[in-house]
Amino acid sequence: EIVLTQSPGTLSLSPGERATLSCRASQSVSGNYLAWYQQKPGQAPRLLIYGASSRATGIPDRFSGGGSGTDFTLTISRLEPEDSAVYCCQQFGSSITFGQGTRLEIK
Amino acid sequence: QVQLVQSGAEVKKPGASVKVSCKASGYTFASYGIQWVRQAPGQRLEWMGWIITANGKTKYSQEFQGRVTITSDTSASTVYMDLSSLRSEDAAVYYCARWGTVGELDYWGQGTLVTVSS
Repeated sequence: EIVLTQSPGTLSLSPGERATLSCRASQSVSGNYLAWYQQKPGQAPRLLIYGASSRATGIPDRFSGGGSGTDFTLTISRLEPEDSAVYCCQQFGSSITFGQGTRLEIK
Repeated sequence: QVQLVQSGAEVKKPGASVKVSCKASGYTFASYGIQWVRQAPGQRLEWMGWIITANGKTKYSQEFQGRVTITSDTSASTVYMDLSSLRSEDAAVYYCARWGTVGELDYWGQGTLVTVSS
């Protein structure tokens, strides 16, 4: 099973700044089948990025994904207060696993 | 628009079973598989299994092998997740999600809270 480790655990930034979130896999993620989700308290996760770098429907271009193999990043530019949430990565292969999440706080 | 609507919250005793439903609408049901994921309080999302709705084939996480059964009713556009031999650690929010084209979960149900308490 591929283990996904996210860093940092918590990120505190100001509106207008850029956030860079990391997701590292214990083995190479086949086909770059790596997705990112945003989850706010009491809500279901929302898909942001799939295939490592493709934005999901309706997701603003402030959100971008990159990376390959074992190292992936989610970048959120021009932070807005509503970006406060937990962000987690997910890989798909013979099974599915999720990272433990990064909490993003907008000061 | 794509919607997945799950059944309501459940309270179960240890050792019992729970069955959660997930009704899909807004797309061709048999064209997409459904995944089940759960989230215990303060924990990461945990994959439970999937079903290919076109043919009913399933795959389950080793963590739940033998305790979880996922089925689908194409005529009702509904998928069911049955979890047996419940223990306190199974208390969580259970989600169904549509399985996208490159392994992503592109639409999610609203979640079903399962409480396990004697």
